[in-house]
Amino acid sequence: AQTVTQSQPEMSVQEAETVTLSCTYDTSENNYYLFWYKQPPSRQMILVIRQEAYKQQNATENRFSVNFQKAAKSFSLKISDSQLGDTAMYFCAFGSGGSNYKLTFGKGTLLTVNP
Amino acid sequence: SAVISQKPSRDICQRGTSLTIQCQVDSQVTMMFWYRQQPGQSLTLIATANQGSEATYESGFVIDKFPISRPNLTFSTLTVSNMSPEDSSIYLCSADGTIHNEQFFGPGTRLTVL
Repeated sequence: AQTVTQSQPEMSVQEAETVTLSCTYDTSENNYYLFWYKQPPSRQMILVIRQEAYKQQNATENRFSVNFQKAAKSFSLKISDSQLGDTAMYFCAFGSGGSNYKLTFGKGTLLTVNP
Repeated sequence: SAVISQKPSRDICQRGTSLTIQCQVDSQVTMMFWYRQQPGQSLTLIATANQGSEATYESGFVIDKFPISRPNLTFSTLTVSNMSPEDSSIYLCSADGTIHNEQFFGPGTRLTVL
């Protein structure tokens, strides 16, 4: 079974600075999908960014980018120019590339952006 | 991306009663999922609901306790039966997106059992 590990329960960053959240996973599969979700205090889960394992290029979405290291099974999220609205719980998630459409979530990292 | 709504957004229930949570998607989707999220914790998948077939439950969750309906491609319900305080949690539904494994989530239902 796949496991997803987020080793940073809490992090904080000053507004306008850059922060990196770490995520590692364990799988024997070669084709899979990785996601970062954001859950603000409103508790709405929002998809931030996704990465297909077969793509070597790291995904980017505006201020959000990932560092995908397939051999190291690492999938970190970098948030540039942090904003107060980025304060949220961030979950890393793994999805198998087979017929199983389920997601396995990490325990989450609570990010606080300070003014 | 799909827009998903849930009702109720929150409820306070008495021990031994049941609550049905509704999940509505604004477009047709193949798979819908139900999760439980304890306060400050990650998401735990309860079951996967496909239209026209029985839901597939994860280890530790049973149909008698969490019956699920999926009458069409835009709607699903989760019932929490014979509730106890241990069922107090946030219940989230999600639906599959266009990318494999991608899921979009509803706003959740906060359930408190007294």
